[in-house]
Amino acid sequence: DAMVIQNPRYQVTQFGKPVTLSCSQTLNHNVMYWYQQKSSQAPKLLFHYYDKDFNNEADTPDNFQSRRPNTSFCFLDIRSPGLGDAAMYLCATSRSSGGAHEQYFGPGTRLTVT
Amino acid sequence: GDSVTQMEGPVTLSEEAFLTINCTYTATGYPSLFWYVQYPGEGLQLLLKATKADDKGSNKGFEATYRKETTSFHLEKGSVQVSDSAVYFCALSENNQGGKLIFGQGTELSVKP
Repeated sequence: DAMVIQNPRYQVTQFGKPVTLSCSQTLNHNVMYWYQQKSSQAPKLLFHYYDKDFNNEADTPDNFQSRRPNTSFCFLDIRSPGLGDAAMYLCATSRSSGGAHEQYFGPGTRLTVT
Repeated sequence: GDSVTQMEGPVTLSEEAFLTINCTYTATGYPSLFWYVQYPGEGLQLLLKATKADDKGSNKGFEATYRKETTSFHLEKGSVQVSDSAVYFCALSENNQGGKLIFGQGTELSVKP
């Protein structure tokens, strides 16, 4: 089945220690998104790629970076995680960036910062 | 800026009860509207969507109608099941925003047998 896969499902890192979360998709979608979801809150968009074009949200901290080496994979790098970065990180894909297009979400990676 | 407001949860219902979760939005353009559902420990799944005024989205017994005059997209189901217990998110997306979804705060639904 075509899907969005996130690894790992659970990640524990230490305060200030860089961490990378990964996302892959078999849908061959052009657009990949990263959302941050804190406990009992709505997901908040961090950034997205349309093909190789990177689009950062204005309020995304510089501590968060992303890479998309090819259509299938996208990575979220947190350079120096703080306690406030503990959250669920959701990857999503969409065929196009038009507003009417459905986004397909992965199961998420829950990040704990100790 | 654009925003979505949902009724606060948690909502607790008995099986076979009628469900309404209210959702209103503020948008500068003509957004598409969505309901996503999140089961415990999982990512979000699209439940239904509507892309223009008066469209009705429906799926798995859930329905929502895009009401431009009241800027609303209320979710309804005639008879809920225990398996419908989840968090429901209303969201909008504008055509000129790169597909960005703006979510409401989510409404937790708990259905008791």
